[in-house]
Amino acid sequence: GDSVTQMEGPVTLSEEAFLTINCTYTATGYPSLFWYVQYPGEGLQLLLKATKADDKGSNKGFEATYRKETTSFHLEKGSVQVSDSAVYFCALSQGAQKLVFGQGTRLTINP
Amino acid sequence: NAGVTQTPKFQVLKTGQSMTLQCAQDMNHNSMYWYRQDPGMGLRLIYYSASEGTTDKGEVPNGYNVSRLNKREFSLRLESAAPSQTSVYFCASSAPSGRMNTEAFFGQGTRLTVV
Repeated sequence: GDSVTQMEGPVTLSEEAFLTINCTYTATGYPSLFWYVQYPGEGLQLLLKATKADDKGSNKGFEATYRKETTSFHLEKGSVQVSDSAVYFCALSQGAQKLVFGQGTRLTINP
Repeated sequence: NAGVTQTPKFQVLKTGQSMTLQCAQDMNHNSMYWYRQDPGMGLRLIYYSASEGTTDKGEVPNGYNVSRLNKREFSLRLESAAPSQTSVYFCASSAPSGRMNTEAFFGQGTRLTVV
């Protein structure tokens, strides 16, 4: 079945550092790919998405490019802030629109 | 906009008790989902409903039942709670009618503890 694998956390960075969180997927067909963010005590919010190969999703300084050749959707940000501290989930969906999630990566940014 | 509303936000149950988690969405979405979130496990799909009147098992359905009461509401029932069901439960909905592969919108979660 479809699956998503994220880099293991937790990840701790200093403010203004460069961030990469790796995500790879296994799926038949052509899924849509998503990054969700979960702030403490809250539900998940969509951060960005890409619906076809070579699409780049972007939001709040975060970017991810749908790479079909490497089945990847890595999340990047050039300069992180303390407010970016959260848990980040990579996910895919296709067919019956079920979302399949990775295990999540906890990110902590120190001032 | 209310989006996806879950009740209750917190619940403590004794082993063997039953309860129903309620979920409602006001976005006219066809698909609704119940996930559980456990530390280090990400989100695992319990049940989903692709449209009103249909429900299907997800990855971890054992010990749960669901009802898609109408297009807006999707409830999750624990008939006989067990400590292994201690978790945070999230309801989600997605896809306006006629669209595919759109993002899901999540409720705030229900933190359930079974003692």
